[in-house]
Amino acid sequence: AQSVTQLDSQVPVFEEAPVELRCNYSSSVSVYLFWYVQYPNQGLQLLLKYLSGSTLVKGINGFEAEFNKSQTSFHLRKPSVHISDTAEYFCAVSAGGNQGGKLIFGQGTELSVKP
Amino acid sequence: DGGITQSPKYLFRKEGQNVTLSCEQNLNHDAMYWYRQDPGQGLRLIYYSQIVNDFQKGDIAEGYSVSREKKESFPLTVTSAQKNPTAFYLCASSQQNTEAFFGQGTRLTVV
Repeated sequence: AQSVTQLDSQVPVFEEAPVELRCNYSSSVSVYLFWYVQYPNQGLQLLLKYLSGSTLVKGINGFEAEFNKSQTSFHLRKPSVHISDTAEYFCAVSAGGNQGGKLIFGQGTELSVKP
Repeated sequence: DGGITQSPKYLFRKEGQNVTLSCEQNLNHDAMYWYRQDPGQGLRLIYYSQIVNDFQKGDIAEGYSVSREKKESFPLTVTSAQKNPTAFYLCASSQQNTEAFFGQGTRLTVV
């Protein structure tokens, strides 16, 4: 069975500081990995995805993540955050193939950027 | 614009009523999904459909029903058997080997 653990439920950070949101997963099969962002009362927007290939993945809004198979991690990073990055962030895994949207989500990390 | 449309945005249900949440997509995706989101929790899969006229239960299907009569549409009915229906419901769609695209959600409240 697959599972996802987001290690921090809340991350407060000052504007222009770097941030890392941590995500570990467990799976007995190869997986696809995703980070989504959710603003209040809205749906989820894809930040970035790892399907195959390079383990360093770049996404929208200056975010990037690194797939580490040996540590089963997929941490999200941004070198300098803005107030507008305040949102909830979800890490998710899928078995891919015809079930690419059948996702197992972490519990979310609330990123709060302070001026 | 291609995307996923969920309606209504807000929905109120009385005890014992069934309500239906609408989800329509014009992305020509084969697969569609319904997720439930509760405060402080991640999303949990209710039902999914990989092809018209076929669907499978997810992790929390009890008290819910779906249909997939058209490729574009995947409505979710919250029945009176669902004991705690107050939540944020998200519909998604995907194509093979790609990410899921999400709608803007429906917030259901029991009054």
